[in-house]
Parts: sequence; structure tokens; C-alpha cells
Amino acid sequence: AQTVTQSQPEMSVQEAETVTLSCTYDTSESDYYLFWYKQPPSRQMILVIRQEAYKQQNATENRFSVNFQKAAKSFSLKISDSQLGDAAMYFCAYRAGAQKLVFGQGTRLTINP
Amino acid sequence: DTGVSQDPRHKITKRGQNVTFRCDPISEHNRLYWYRQTLGQGPEFLTYFQNEAQLEKSRLLSDRFSAERPKGSFSTLEIQRTEQGDSAMYLCASSPGRNQETQYFGPGTRLLVL
Repeated sequence: AQTVTQSQPEMSVQEAETVTLSCTYDTSESDYYLFWYKQPPSRQMILVIRQEAYKQQNATENRFSVNFQKAAKSFSLKISDSQLGDAAMYFCAYRAGAQKLVFGQGTRLTINP
Repeated sequence: DTGVSQDPRHKITKRGQNVTFRCDPISEHNRLYWYRQTLGQGPEFLTYFQNEAQLEKSRLLSDRFSAERPKGSFSTLEIQRTEQGDSAMYLCASSPGRNQETQYFGPGTRLLVL
């Protein structure tokens, strides 16, 4: 069974600094997708960034980038120039094919002004 | 184009009562997913539809739970004889239907069973 593990229940960072959130996963599939979702206190889940496993190049979306290590089954999220609006729960998620997302336990990110 | 909408946003019920939630996906999205999220945890998959066909159900979906998607548009999730353990946020998501596509989430329905 596929599993996703986020080992950091909470993280904090100073505004304008950089923070990295960790995620590891377990799968026997070769073709799959990885996602980072953000869930602010209002609780609507918002997509931050996604990565296709067949792509070697790490995905980047503005201040958000990932470090995808397929052999190590690691998928970390780096947030540069942290802003107060980045404060939220961040969930790493895995999906193979058309099916369900499997989520990690989440990391609560606090931004200190 | 609006996003995924869910109704109601909050529901308080007494143990043993039946409740029904509605999800309206993004227009023309063929796939619709239901997840359950308890406090401090990541969402867990319940079931999903391709158009009107229910293609997968989680073992979390006991006999008291039923979901429908008539005509492949909106979906309903019904919980019969609610229990206190059913208290959670119920999230709906939709995707266009191609394997590579992202799932877009609604705001959720928070259920509290007293």
C-alpha cells in the first residue's frame, strides 16, 4: 500500500527567510504524481505545486520549489522569501493513475514577523 | 467559472440521525472524489466517481454511508444513523478526468455529531 510520511508536525520560519518541509513516500509504482497542498485556517485545500514522477526536473512555482529524489522516495517543498500568508497546514500527497490521493499527516507552518 | 462548492458548510446533528451533504464540482469535471478529514490529520479517501459511475469505495465507507452522482453532475453523501465517530470535515474534490489532472477541493462540510 502506498504511504506518505511527513516527519515534521510543526515548523516555523522568520518572514522573508527560507524553509523546507519534508515528505517521504512508499510505492511500488513507477508512474505517479506528487503534490503539495496548502490548507489555511479557513480550511480550503489549495494546490501549491505538483511533480510528475517521470520528469527529472524539479517543479517550481514562483517562491515554491520541490526537491524530488525518486530513488530515495523523497519530495521536499522549499518556500523562499516566506510571507505571512504562507502560514497554513501543508500536506504532501501521492497519486497513481486516476485514483485517490494519499495524504501525509501534515506540517503546520508558522511565519514569525 | 466557480470552484467546487459544498453545502452545507456546517452541520450539527444528534447521534442516530441521518445527514446528507451535497457537492457541486467544477463544470465539466468528470471525476468527483469524497474525502474525510479529522482534526489534525490529512484527508482520507472515501470514494470516487467517473461521471455517474462509482468506481472505488474505501473500507472506511461503512454500510451507513452511501454516495451518489446522478447524471454525472453534483454528488450527495449520506450518512445514516450517525455516530459520534462520524464527526469530521467531509471534503469533495473534482478533476477534469484525464489521468494527469490535479484534484481541486471544495471548502468542506464540517459535521458534529452530539
